[in-house]
Amino acid sequence: GESVGLHLPTLSVQEGDNSIINCAYSNSASDYFIWYKQESGKGPQFIIDIRSNMDKRQGQRVTVLLNKTVKHLSLQIAATQPGDSAVYFCAEIVDNYGQNFVFGPGTRLSVLP
Amino acid sequence: KAGVTQTPRYLIKTRGQQVTLSCSPISGHRSVSWYQQTPGQGLQFLFEYFSETQRNKGNFPGRFSGRQFSNSRSEMNVSTLELGDSALYLCASSQRDEGRTEAFFGQGTRLTVV
Repeated sequence: GESVGLHLPTLSVQEGDNSIINCAYSNSASDYFIWYKQESGKGPQFIIDIRSNMDKRQGQRVTVLLNKTVKHLSLQIAATQPGDSAVYFCAEIVDNYGQNFVFGPGTRLSVLP
Repeated sequence: KAGVTQTPRYLIKTRGQQVTLSCSPISGHRSVSWYQQTPGQGLQFLFEYFSETQRNKGNFPGRFSGRQFSNSRSEMNVSTLELGDSALYLCASSQRDEGRTEAFFGQGTRLTVV
């Protein structure tokens, strides 16, 4: 079946360190992936996306890596800041023309002072 | 540019009642999707509307329904509420008429069924 899952439900990092959040997906036909950040009381906020014809994409302080061979997605946050504390979700699109995202269960990132 | 607006932000209903939630997408966005978020099930897709037509539907019972108006605003309705319907209901809009583009979420409507 189609599913997106995260390896670690919680992650604690020291301020200034790099964070790596992982995600596994099972639908090899998925060709578009997004990372969202959700802070308490807010809706998910777009961070970065990647298409399946790419292995890596960089944004401001964030990098997404896609390994299609093992169906694995990761989000790297450089120089993690207190404002990065949130729940991070990976999501994949599983239909061809809609907005039906399948979300992973989420990883809570806690940034320690 | 205004973001996705959902109303109301909070709602308390009694079992058996019905509820209607509203979503105003970002101006120019024609696709509106709805998601249910619970601690146990995470974020789950309910349905998607594009140009007043339901284009996609998730695995939810028929008590969950929606519609989209000509101005792209959308409503979702839940009839015969159950305790398990308590959740954060999120609406997302996107600009393109095909997928593979980011969806912008509203802050959600927190529904509590008692």
